[in-house]
Amino acid sequence: NAGVTQTPKFQVLKTGQSMTLQCAQDMNHNSMYWYRQDPGMGLRLIYYSASEGTTDKGEVPNGYNVSRLNKREFSLRLESAAPSQTSVYFCASSGAAVGGEQYFGPGTRLTVT
Amino acid sequence: KNEVEQSPQNLTAQEGEFITINCSYSVGISALHWLQQHPGGGIVSLFMLSSGKKKHGRLIATINIQEKHSSLHITASHPRDSAVYICAVTGSGSRLTFGEGTQLTVNP
Repeated sequence: NAGVTQTPKFQVLKTGQSMTLQCAQDMNHNSMYWYRQDPGMGLRLIYYSASEGTTDKGEVPNGYNVSRLNKREFSLRLESAAPSQTSVYFCASSGAAVGGEQYFGPGTRLTVT
Repeated sequence: KNEVEQSPQNLTAQEGEFITINCSYSVGISALHWLQQHPGGGIVSLFMLSSGKKKHGRLIATINIQEKHSSLHITASHPRDSAVYICAVTGSGSRLTFGEGTQLTVNP
C-alpha cells in the first residue's frame, strides 16, 4: 500500500497563476484533510472532507478550493496564487471519524514569486 | 495564547539521555496526538490517546485530562530520534489543532 500520495513534490508559481495539488489514499479512509505548514507556526487546517461528497472549511480557507472527487482523492486548488500562499502543503487521511489518527502524505513545497 | 503549547521549543540531548517533551492545552478535547516530523519533512503519527499512558518501544506518552497536560518521553535517546515532535488535540468540531513543535537534537 502506498498510503497517502501527493503530487507534485515541488512547485514554483508566479503571482496570479493557478494550480491544483493532488492527493490520494489507498486505505479506504473516510476523512481527508489539507494542511499548510509555515515556519514558526503549527500545521493549520485549510479544508477537510469527512466523507465522499462533503467538504468543510478549516482555519485558513481563503484563497483555496477543494474537491473530494471520490473516496480516494481530495484535491486542493489555488485559483490565483499569492506570495502569502508560499508554504508546505500536507494532505492527510483518517479512518472512521474526523479527528482520528491521521496519516500524512509527503508534502508539497510551493513557492509563489 | 495558543490553544496548544509545547515546551521546550528546542531541546539538545546526549545519546542515552531520558527526554521529556511537554504539551499543555486549553480546550476540551476528545483525543491528543503526538506526531514526529523528520528532517526530510515526512510526518508520522506516534500516538493517539485520550487517557492514561501508551508505550511503543522507547517512546511513552501520558496524558492528564484534569490538568490538560501531556508528556512524551523518550528513553535511551539515540541520534535517529532527532526530529520535530508535534502535539495536537482533537477539539470541538473534531478538527485537530497543532502545537508549534519541539525540535529535538540528540548528539552522539
